[in-house]
Amino acid sequence: GEDVEQSLFLSVREGDSSVINCTYTDSSSTYLYWYKQEPGAGLQLLTYIFSNMDMKQDQRLTVLLNKKDKHLSLRIADTQTGDSAIYFCAAPYNQGGKLIFGQGTELSVKP
Amino acid sequence: SAVISQKPSRDICQRGTSLTIQCQVDSQVTMMFWYRQQPGQSLTLIATANQGSEATYESGFVIDKFPISRPNLTFSTLTVSNMSPEDSSIYLCSVGDRGHYNEQFFGPGTRLTVL
Repeated sequence: GEDVEQSLFLSVREGDSSVINCTYTDSSSTYLYWYKQEPGAGLQLLTYIFSNMDMKQDQRLTVLLNKKDKHLSLRIADTQTGDSAIYFCAAPYNQGGKLIFGQGTELSVKP
Repeated sequence: SAVISQKPSRDICQRGTSLTIQCQVDSQVTMMFWYRQQPGQSLTLIATANQGSEATYESGFVIDKFPISRPNLTFSTLTVSNMSPEDSSIYLCSVGDRGHYNEQFFGPGTRLTVL
């Protein structure tokens, strides 16, 4: 079955770029997703990428997909203190629209 | 995207009791799911709530412990039965629609503490 792995922590300075990485195992995944969870809040869908794309850009967010290596990354340009949160990557598994989530990467942005 | 609300937002319960969590969506949706997020952990899918039929449970979760109802396309409930401290978690409802990009949208979650 599908397995999704992420590094647990990332610390950057305000204004720098952040890169959060994710690996997955199921090459048949059609879409891959990035979610953001702020302290005490639910999950917010940040962006997604279709499996036939290599890159997707949305304002400060850039998603890169390397299908050969089954590697997904989320780059946040000009990181702000408001970007401090836990970021989850997610991939579909089995049928029925179910998602499996990575462990989450806690991003800490220092002024 | 759909607007999803959950009740209660948080609760503190005694061991051995049960709590029912409600999830309400502002539009009809095809799929509704229930997840658990234990402290400091990722999300684990409990079950898919099926409208008009029994929920489909993931490995490790059973109907007796987590009964689920879905009477229509905008509402579902999850009950956490005979609670123990190990059930202390955030419980999240999510919705999806196969007509779009298979993305799921999440409710704000219910933070449950069992003493």
